[in-house]
Amino acid sequence: EPEVTQTPSHQVTQMGQEVILRCVPISNHLYFYWYRQILGQKVEFLVSFYNNEISEKSEIFDDQFSVERPDGSNFTLKIRSTKLEDSAMYFCASSVGPRQPQHFGDGTRLSIL
Amino acid sequence: DQQVKQNSPSLSVQEGRISILNCDYTNSMFDYFLWYKKYPAEGPTFLISISSIKDKNEDGRFTVFLNKSAKHLSLHIVPSQPGDSAVYFCAAMNRDDKIIFGKGTRLHILP
Repeated sequence: EPEVTQTPSHQVTQMGQEVILRCVPISNHLYFYWYRQILGQKVEFLVSFYNNEISEKSEIFDDQFSVERPDGSNFTLKIRSTKLEDSAMYFCASSVGPRQPQHFGDGTRLSIL
Repeated sequence: DQQVKQNSPSLSVQEGRISILNCDYTNSMFDYFLWYKKYPAEGPTFLISISSIKDKNEDGRFTVFLNKSAKHLSLHIVPSQPGDSAVYFCAAMNRDDKIIFGKGTRLHILP
C-alpha cells in the first residue's frame, strides 16, 4: 500500500539554526499538509498546500516557517531560526483531494537544544 | 481550544468484546468526521470517516455513529482484537481542509 515517507526520523538541532524536514507524499495525491504534536499535546494543523501555493495556515505557521515542493516528489517544511518550543513531532500528510482522508507519514521528531 | 473532545484517556476491553470510543465536538460547522489509529513511533493511520449527512458508516469491524443533535460520535470495534491496542484519535473538519484532532483515547485489548 502506498505511504507517505518522512526523513529524517529524528533531527537534533541547535537553537537558532535552520532545519528542513522532508516528505514524499503518496504519488497520486495533490494536497499536502504539515501537522505537529508537542509532547503530551494534541496533533495540530500547521499548513496546507495545493498547486504550489499555501491554501491555509495556522497561527503557529509564522514567518519562521515555509513550505516548498522543490520537485515532483518532495514536500519540505523549513524552520529558519529554530526555538526551543519548536521541539515536537512533525507529521506530513497528503490526500487525493480537499476534504478527503489525509494519510500521514511516521513523523520527524525534532529536538531543539 | 477543545473543539474535539475525547474525555476518556484510556479504555480496556476484553478480546472478542466490543470496544466503544466516544467523542464530542463543540463546533456546529464541522461536517466531516474521521477516526485515526496510532501506534507508538508511527503516524496516525486513517480508519474510517463519516459525513454529516449520514448517521452511520461501517467498514468491516469498524462502525462510526454520528449524532449531530448531541454533537457526539462514537467508534465501535467488534470483535476487538489484540492488534487494536493503540491510541485512537477522533477528528473533524469544517469547510476548510484542516483536521482538528482530539487528544486521543488509548485502547488496551486484554487477552
